[in-house]
Amino acid sequence: EPEVTQTPSHQVTQMGQEVILRCVPISNHLYFYWYRQILGQKVEFLVSFYNNEISEKSEIFDDQFSVERPDGSNFTLKIRSTKLEDSAMYFCASSDSVRIYGYTFGSGTRLTVV
Amino acid sequence: SQQGEEDPQALSIQEGENATMNCSYKTSINNLQWYRQNSGRGLVHLILIRSNEREKHSGRLRVTLDTSKKSSSLLITASRAADTASYFCATDKGASGSRLTFGEGTQLTVNP
Repeated sequence: EPEVTQTPSHQVTQMGQEVILRCVPISNHLYFYWYRQILGQKVEFLVSFYNNEISEKSEIFDDQFSVERPDGSNFTLKIRSTKLEDSAMYFCASSDSVRIYGYTFGSGTRLTVV
Repeated sequence: SQQGEEDPQALSIQEGENATMNCSYKTSINNLQWYRQNSGRGLVHLILIRSNEREKHSGRLRVTLDTSKKSSSLLITASRAADTASYFCATDKGASGSRLTFGEGTQLTVNP
């Protein structure tokens, strides 16, 4: 069964450092997403991406965040200058155009900012 | 106000019993989905129900949707210890690529 792959599974970074979280969505999917889940809280939408541009973003997705699809397979989330409150599990997801089968989520990257 | 609120927040049952989790939402939706998350792991899609559907089954899972009450329920029959996980409902407004809005989740513990 196709899956969404995220790397790394866990990243520890110092406050103020830049991090890039990587994702390989399912190859024939057209829509890509990033979500995050702070420990013990619910999953929150960050951004959706379609046709090489952001289609929707939440209020969490401020100027510190950016997304990119640098080639035909990878989808990245960059946090320019990490803060302690950015510590969370970050999930990448992808979906097809009709979403019959729901969204497929990756297993997540646990980001710890120290 | 919160979109997608589950109750109960936590549910503990014995193996073999049925588990029912509920979800309420506030705005109109196109689809409602249920996801499962094992502790510290990723989200696994369980089932999707469209706004024009009232009930859907998948194996031991049964989902109902009542759009007049803006609520859904997930029933897991004949539960197993391996069903222990957090269960989330998530709604979308239907446009391709639209965001999912997740609820707070129900932590289900199935005791052997």
